[in-house]
Amino acid sequence: AQSVSQHNHHVILSEAASLELGCNYSYGGTVNLFWYVQYPGQHLQLLLKYFSGDPLVKGIKGFEAEFIKSKFSFNLRKPSVQWSDTAEYFCAVKRPNAGNMLTFGGGTRLMVKP
Amino acid sequence: GAGVSQTPSNKVTEKGKYVELRCDPISGHTALYWYRQSLGQGPEFLIYFQGTGAADDSGLPNDRFFAVRPEGSVSTLKIQRTERGDSAVYLCASSSRAKTSGPISSYNEQFFGPGTRLTVL
Repeated sequence: AQSVSQHNHHVILSEAASLELGCNYSYGGTVNLFWYVQYPGQHLQLLLKYFSGDPLVKGIKGFEAEFIKSKFSFNLRKPSVQWSDTAEYFCAVKRPNAGNMLTFGGGTRLMVKP
Repeated sequence: GAGVSQTPSNKVTEKGKYVELRCDPISGHTALYWYRQSLGQGPEFLIYFQGTGAADDSGLPNDRFFAVRPEGSVSTLKIQRTERGDSAVYLCASSSRAKTSGPISSYNEQFFGPGTRLTVL
């Protein structure tokens, strides 16, 4: 079945460590890609998005993601995490030619130890 | 308020009862989406509206679920004869139309509300 996969369900890092969260999707054709974050007790917020153009996308709070079409991947990175980055991260895919809904991965729960 | 709002924030009901969940999108957003998030999982698409009409309801699990958006703004998700398996957080999102040409509607990123946590006892 077509899907979005986030391979890491739980990640624990110390402050200042580098972060990379994996996201792979199985759709062919044109895709729009997103990373959302959900901080404890808050609603989903957009971190960054890719629609077209430069495959390296920069988002808020120092996050970036790289779209690698040949690998069907859109991994999220941050060079140095902070305790305040503790949250759950969701990758999502939209296929513009197949409706406007998002298909989400299962999420990665990140804990940053101070 | 500039964001998407949802009411109630929590709803506890008994098996077999009827519930309504409300979503108030960002003003001017023509597209509205409902998702359902079960514990430990990512949100799953239910239905989305372009204006007043349901453009895609392929995610609704069965005919106990129904949603309306009669004036193209506020939407209500209705669940009949609730079951324990319906317990989840129901999320609403909205988005604005992108500036594109051609017959296919394209939309910008989706903004999410805080969700309604539904518990069916």
